[in-house]
Amino acid sequence: QVTLKESGPALVKPTQTLTLTCTFSGFSLNTSLMSVSWIRQPPGKALEWLARIDWDDDKFYSRSLKTRLTISKDTSKNQVVLTMTNMDAVDTAIYYCARTTAHCGGDCYYYLDPWGQGTLVSVSS
Amino acid sequence: DIQMTQSPSSLSASVGDRVTITCRASQGISRYLNWYQKKLGKAPKLLIYAASSLQSGVPSRFSGSGSGTDFTLTISSLQPEDFATYYCQQTYSTMYTFGQGTKLEIK
Repeated sequence: QVTLKESGPALVKPTQTLTLTCTFSGFSLNTSLMSVSWIRQPPGKALEWLARIDWDDDKFYSRSLKTRLTISKDTSKNQVVLTMTNMDAVDTAIYYCARTTAHCGGDCYYYLDPWGQGTLVSVSS
Repeated sequence: DIQMTQSPSSLSASVGDRVTITCRASQGISRYLNWYQKKLGKAPKLLIYAASSLQSGVPSRFSGSGSGTDFTLTISSLQPEDFATYYCQQTYSTMYTFGQGTKLEIK
């Protein structure tokens, strides 16, 4: 059974750096085609994809947030860490991590499944 | 970035209705299109991947179609548990993007 769980502070102050940890089980990030993505959902708004780290340590970021995000992995601990600098009130959201993998026939079609339960991060002084 | 546009933004329907939600990509994405269901307070759930492949465990009343820029999610006969928000997502680009969501409400 694959599970993921997000952890981190519930409250951060403006300009601070947010550090979130995704701890997972049931799969290995050493396995080809495995990745972990981070996604967020501000209150009342849509899902927003943030970043992804692949089994081979390739990293990809949302263009609009690229300068503020860093993603890393610790395969020995089955963890993926996301840091976001210079937090602002507009970054208040539920932050999710999700396993990202692919179904391959001729092409490989990637999808996010399953997702963690999410963690609410509020930004306020 | 590839922009994903869903329509309608909201939809009222009744139990037993057939419902279709559309998703349009700003450029061709082949079949790199997924659909998710999001309920309040719950994590998103994968319904369809690769435009038309039903994820294991998802009821067969859900189906997806399309290729290129235009995609649809169809629920053949709405059940009470289907009232939720639905999102499309493209994985053609290395920078994945979601649609703005379609909220499906009870009429």
